[in-house]
Amino acid sequence: SQQGEEDPQALSIQEGENATMNCSYKTSINNLQWYRQNSGRGLVHLILIRSNEREKHSGRLRVTLDTSKKSSSLLITASRAADTASYFCATDANTDKLIFGTGTRLQVFP
Amino acid sequence: ETGVTQSPTHLIKTRGQQVTLRCSSQSGHNTVSWYQQALGQGPQFIFQYYREEENGRGNFPPRFSGLQFPNYSSELNVNALELDDSALYLCASSIDRASYEQYFGPGTRLTVT
Repeated sequence: SQQGEEDPQALSIQEGENATMNCSYKTSINNLQWYRQNSGRGLVHLILIRSNEREKHSGRLRVTLDTSKKSSSLLITASRAADTASYFCATDANTDKLIFGTGTRLQVFP
Repeated sequence: ETGVTQSPTHLIKTRGQQVTLRCSSQSGHNTVSWYQQALGQGPQFIFQYYREEENGRGNFPPRFSGLQFPNYSSELNVNALELDDSALYLCASSIDRASYEQYFGPGTRLTVT
């Protein structure tokens, strides 16, 4: 079973616009991570946010975490066509393993 | 490039056969995890090995088994293949436990006919 659910399932935007993806999870966590996957290939780690952090930035990425609502959001600012990919959140559910969500498919049109 | 490689890239097997998938982790990474990703879904955790010992398992039957070797290579073995085993199989390595940043290989696409 999936720990996380991403919303929306799919998102289409124009280059230059911002893209926001949300993730909800079910159990308490030590950390939450976001990964990106291009065309069914391997996943690439984007950012990790710990349960005692509320916001984190990395380049054009901004991640927020609300542990009281068991939710996180990933914001990609000034999107580019190269950002087209699937994005997954993953939580550790206080274990030594990662549990991935269902993913958001982002399409950025030039 | 994550420094994690997998072989083969693609594989076609027949129902009932056995398959071995291979992964080479980054040097110094003591943990390797294996995931199954069905089309349109997120990766599902199969199991994790830490310093050559199994260290956690997901909801997969015993016909899914693994090995981790001292040279940072590992294997995923699946016996008695079923049609539903068709998926992308991903390995990922991490310095310590798998709950931290993981470095994924490109995956092996398995098709069972």
